[in-house]
Amino acid sequence: EIVLTQSPTTIAASPGEKVTITCRASSSVSYMYWYQQKSGASPKLWIYDTSKLAPGVPNRFSGSGSGTSYSLTVTTMETEDAATYYCQQWSSTPPTFGAGTELEL
Amino acid sequence: QVQLKESGPGLVQPSQTLSLTCTVSGFSLTTYGVSWVRQPPGKGLEWIGAMWISGDTDSISALKSRLTISRDTSKSQVLLRMNSLQAEDTAMYFCARHGRGSGFAYWGQGTLVTVSS
Repeated sequence: EIVLTQSPTTIAASPGEKVTITCRASSSVSYMYWYQQKSGASPKLWIYDTSKLAPGVPNRFSGSGSGTSYSLTVTTMETEDAATYYCQQWSSTPPTFGAGTELEL
Repeated sequence: QVQLKESGPGLVQPSQTLSLTCTVSGFSLTTYGVSWVRQPPGKGLEWIGAMWISGDTDSISALKSRLTISRDTSKSQVLLRMNSLQAEDTAMYFCARHGRGSGFAYWGQGTLVTVSS
């Protein structure tokens, strides 16, 4: 199975700060998906097909990458962005998730 | 609109069998696949299995011998059955809708399963 390694595990950001989360795959994948999960809630699809924002996601978020290296960037951190973010691939079964990155304010 | 809702017992005794139901609305099980994803308390997400639109299923190797996924299209339900439960199976269990080789666009609210005597 493809292992996804996210870094950092935790990141603290101030309002207005730029934040980047990376996700490295153990084998090449075609697309990466990102989810936002807040405490006590279900995950929400945040970015799909590597770089497309899900409906309602602010355009301060962006996704990029290819092959084995992908990233999620927040250009200007806002309070509501504090959450845990997971990357996920399904280029091969089983689909796998990264361990998550906790983005703190 | 698209909705998924998990239901189940909440508490299961060790070595017993877990049965969960995912009831969907707003789409057909013959148009989209539905997966089960679990999340132990304080930990990350783990995909455990899927029901495809064809009626075929997939599951992770570690659970293949214990896990059965089925569906009742007339009731718009996907069923999960896992036997020989242990404490490490304690988790929030989510069902989620997906396409082929894609992301999980819609999720249920999850149902917490605790394995304890």
